[in-house]
Amino acid sequence: KNQVEQSPQSLIILEGKNCTLQCNYTVSPFSNLRWYKQDTGRGPVSLTIMTFSENTKSNGRYTATLDADTKQSSLHITASQLSDSASYICVVSALTSNDYKLSFGAGTTVTVRA
Amino acid sequence: DVKVTQSSRYLVKRTGEKVFLECVQDMDHENMFWYRQDPGLGLRLIYFSYDVKMKEKGDIPEGYSVSREKKERFSLILESASTNQTSMYLCASSQNSGARGQPQHFGDGTRLSIL
Repeated sequence: KNQVEQSPQSLIILEGKNCTLQCNYTVSPFSNLRWYKQDTGRGPVSLTIMTFSENTKSNGRYTATLDADTKQSSLHITASQLSDSASYICVVSALTSNDYKLSFGAGTTVTVRA
Repeated sequence: DVKVTQSSRYLVKRTGEKVFLECVQDMDHENMFWYRQDPGLGLRLIYFSYDVKMKEKGDIPEGYSVSREKKERFSLILESASTNQTSMYLCASSQNSGARGQPQHFGDGTRLSIL
């Protein structure tokens, strides 16, 4: 079972609307959580990174939240644009022994329609 | 800006062939990684390297090998390609401070089809 679960698997929204993506994880011990945006045919690009002590981080119209107690994160997209159409990937990092282990969610595919 | 360049965007090979995927980064990063990405599974780590001539197995190393002769270049090798290795392959690099702790910069991927 994947230690990082994302929901929904996909969603369609109208341009200008807001949406929220969810990420639940069981990874432990927690080090940090990142959200990546992956455009079709491109590699993932980092949007935000949050450590245990941070509960919100913004990058333009993208706002990520983290609740380390419930092991949940969300990515909120405000006033969506056509260019927001992409896959959004949640990645959780655990510090094990002397190394970090990354666990990747399967991603949420967002389609923004005019 | 960090640039991670993968030599091919699309590649078609035959079963049993030896396949080389090349990746080059221009930011003098110590760490480099190879992932495969399949629908519904997320990225899975194949191999990574934290220094020249060093390599570590990831979560799914079977059927693959790697080579890192120079700091900027990390090659993924499919010794004898099989159809279940048809996938999107992503290369990434990061600075040190923990082998996988720092944010990773990804290439645009190589979509490999094995016929």
